[in-house]
Amino acid sequence: DGGITQSPKYLFRKEGQNVTLSCEQNLNHDAMYWYRQDPGQGLRLIYYSQIVNDFQKGDIAEGYSVSREKKESFPLTVTSAQKNPTAFYLCASDMGQISNQPQHFGDGTRLSIL
Amino acid sequence: KQEVTQIPAALSVPEGENLVLNCSFTDSAIYNLQWFRQDPGKGLTSLLLIQSSQREQTSGRLNASLDKSSGRSTLYIAASQPGDSATYLCAVPISSGSARQLTFGSGTQLTVLP
Repeated sequence: DGGITQSPKYLFRKEGQNVTLSCEQNLNHDAMYWYRQDPGQGLRLIYYSQIVNDFQKGDIAEGYSVSREKKESFPLTVTSAQKNPTAFYLCASDMGQISNQPQHFGDGTRLSIL
Repeated sequence: KQEVTQIPAALSVPEGENLVLNCSFTDSAIYNLQWFRQDPGKGLTSLLLIQSSQREQTSGRLNASLDKSSGRSTLYIAASQPGDSATYLCAVPISSGSARQLTFGSGTQLTVLP
């Protein structure tokens, strides 16, 4: 079945450490997105990518970095510069154009600080 | 900047009751509106996508309506069941080139009591 796979499901970060969250999709979608969700809040956009080797900052990009070397993959690195990284991280994808196809989501990665 | 509001934040109903969840947005220039369901600790599942040219969209016991001029959408759930218990989020895209950033509401947490 086609879908989005996020790993790991749970991740712990030590002070000063960078960690990378994986997101892989086999939906042949052009666009991919990373969102952050804090308790009781909606999702906020971190980064998005329309095509391979291209990505743009979202509303809360500071302290995060991404790459898009393959169409299927859009990893997110949470750097030590992100002082409050504890949150639920969701990856999504869609066709990318102005279309009426829904955006699909993975099952998320929960990041905590040790 | 687009803002999305969902009221109420939480709702508890007895099984079998019909219910309405509300979503409002500030900028009526939207291409579509999407309703999602989120179970605890999970990603988002797309329920309905209603296009800007439509007024309603139905899937099983779910019906979503859209009134762009007033900046409102409702999600109607008929004959609610305990399995409907989840958080329901609405989102609207802000087109930017060929990618569609979504702006989310904070969600309505629904509990259906058996």
